[in-house]
Amino acid sequence: QSALTQPASVSGSPGQSITISCTGTSSDVGSYNLVSWYQQHPGKAPKVMIYEGTKRPSGVSNRFSGSKSGNTASLTISGLQAEDEADYYCCSYAGSRIYVLFGGGTKLTVL
Amino acid sequence: QLQLQESGPGLVKPSETLSLTCTVSGGSISSSSYYWGWIRQPPGKGLEWIGSIYYSGSTYYNSSLKSRVTISVDTSKNYFSLKVNSVTAADTAVYYCARSTPTFQSDYWGQGTLVTVSS
Repeated sequence: QSALTQPASVSGSPGQSITISCTGTSSDVGSYNLVSWYQQHPGKAPKVMIYEGTKRPSGVSNRFSGSKSGNTASLTISGLQAEDEADYYCCSYAGSRIYVLFGGGTKLTVL
Repeated sequence: QLQLQESGPGLVKPSETLSLTCTVSGGSISSSSYYWGWIRQPPGKGLEWIGSIYYSGSTYYNSSLKSRVTISVDTSKNYFSLKVNSVTAADTAVYYCARSTPTFQSDYWGQGTLVTVSS
């Protein structure tokens, strides 16, 4: 089973909005509303920003939102801030044989 | 506040077995609501799910690693463990332990521990 597909990099200026896509198949992203998104700063552990496709954990800014269309999930960050510069990974439940797939990661640069 | 802490050797020789432990504090590993898993990240690369375990002992593995990986749990001591046998340089990575939902959405992560495979 291949990893989920993410763009290698995205960038935006402070205050702008950006969207990171995560493309899978009808066997994973397309079949379940079970995509999570993780933010990882250099040398740090990943932090969950979105789970179950659209839900935000307590303490995560409402500038982060998740959505899905077909086999592609998306993470949108509005009102970009310098502290948002990090790597972002998507992850999807993939059923009772594969279980979990991660995306390859996207480096977000705040210009 | 739930905390997870990985521990184990930072250097393993090729063909030997990598062994790590994740100690859980601030919560019970026997909670019926959560699973406990391992994820790794080779230097400069992305995340790879290794596998997960439920407190009852039920295990779920990445099919690409399943033949070399064993995850176990000790509910009396509130920790779970990872063993990867026959390691090669490709197993060099930061290894994270994490708590997840039954659909493997991970909410709490350990700080990670670097394991290098080298003679």
